[in-house]
Amino acid sequence: AQKVTQAQTEISVVEKEDVTLDCVYETRDTTYYLFWYKQPPSGELVFLIRRNSFDEQNEISGRYSWNFQKSTSSFNFTITASQVVDSAVYFCALSLNYGGSQGNLIFGKGTKLSVKP
Amino acid sequence: GAGVSQSPRYKVAKRGQDVALRCDPISGHVSLFWYQQALGQGPEFLTYFQNEAQLDKSGLPSDRFFAERPEGSVSTLKIQRTQQEDSAVYLCASSSTRGARETQYFGPGTRLLVL
Repeated sequence: AQKVTQAQTEISVVEKEDVTLDCVYETRDTTYYLFWYKQPPSGELVFLIRRNSFDEQNEISGRYSWNFQKSTSSFNFTITASQVVDSAVYFCALSLNYGGSQGNLIFGKGTKLSVKP
Repeated sequence: GAGVSQSPRYKVAKRGQDVALRCDPISGHVSLFWYQQALGQGPEFLTYFQNEAQLDKSGLPSDRFFAERPEGSVSTLKIQRTQQEDSAVYLCASSSTRGARETQYFGPGTRLLVL
């Protein structure tokens, strides 16, 4: 069975601190896709990044970076120099490859990040 | 361009009422998904359309839930005889092709409260 675990329910930091959000996934498939989404108080899920299982290269986008490690089945997300606008719930998600066709997203329970000024 | 839109944004229903939730995907997007998000939880899959074909409805919680996408664009999620446990945010997502590596883009959701 497939599963995504985000063990941190809530994290609170002070502005300019670095923060890492953990994500551990479970699947027996060799081809899969990992995602991070941000859900601000407005409620809309905003896509941040997609990573496929064959690409373990870490990625940096501005203050955001992602560390994908297949050996530990983890796909962690770090925000450097956090800002108040980063306050949101962050979801990690997994999808599988069904003969080349898209599968649904399997979400973790989310981590609520509060960044205080 | 326009993103995924959903209407209504909020719906209050009395227990036993039927409700219809609408999703307008990004123009030209082939794949459309519905998810249900309970308070404090991650979204959970309900059903999937590829164009007008409903290929997966394994996540629909009961036969009171019904979804359609008759012309391969707009989709409607209908809940009959609503119950209090149906209270949740219903999210719609679309992606441009049916390919496995595609990204799903979400609408703002419809918050349903059943009294």
